Amino acid sequence: DTAVSQTPKYLVTQMGNDKSIKCEQNLGHDTMYWYKQDSKKFLKIMFSYNNKELIINETVPNRFSPKSPDKAHLNLHINSLELGDSAVYFCASSQDPLRGGRRETQYFGPGTRLLVL
Amino acid sequence: DQQVKQNSPSLSVQEGRISILNCDYTNSMFDYFLWYKKYPAEGPTFLISISSIKDKNEDGRFTVFLNKSAKHLSLHIVPSQPGDSAVYFCAASDSNYQLIWGAGTKLIIKP
Repeated sequence: DTAVSQTPKYLVTQMGNDKSIKCEQNLGHDTMYWYKQDSKKFLKIMFSYNNKELIINETVPNRFSPKSPDKAHLNLHINSLELGDSAVYFCASSQDPLRGGRRETQYFGPGTRLLVL
Repeated sequence: DQQVKQNSPSLSVQEGRISILNCDYTNSMFDYFLWYKKYPAEGPTFLISISSIKDKNEDGRFTVFLNKSAKHLSLHIVPSQPGDSAVYFCAASDSNYQLIWGAGTKLIIKP
């Protein structure tokens, strides 16, 4: 009964390709996130969506585009992949404080390991 | 510029003893602090948190201490168990709810 799921778990692709990573949460949360964990193991926020609306958009290349078809899904599309995009990408979700949750308490998916060759 | 620092990349502790993981921060606007635990090939899972208005929060074997004047927090695990072996991330949030993460400390519990 997975709370936050991501597909695929592993993604190996060539430079220049376009790829998507999907994320779904069944927790009924209002806010979803994409993080990148780089080679130094830091987790860095990329995007945050609240009720399908973008609320955080850190400085990431515009080759990265999040898409939220509904509250339970936040997909990440990456165009023209580069070597430096190789990392682990985590999706997460949290409950809106107005609905009794704390936005900081985030629930993570298992991660997608992207390797660009 | 790292706003949240975990200066020990790894820590080895004997089973049954106390594990103490440390975290320092630089931004005095942070008002909520969290610890997450991460096993290999899994996402981080929330462990325990503390608000800046408190100096201690306890949950079973886990206690988090906050020293605001020193901008320092620590996670105590007692007694340490083999299942506690994982990477522990410290994170802090500001009024925008955005989490700023440390680099993690790998805890190894020796039998």
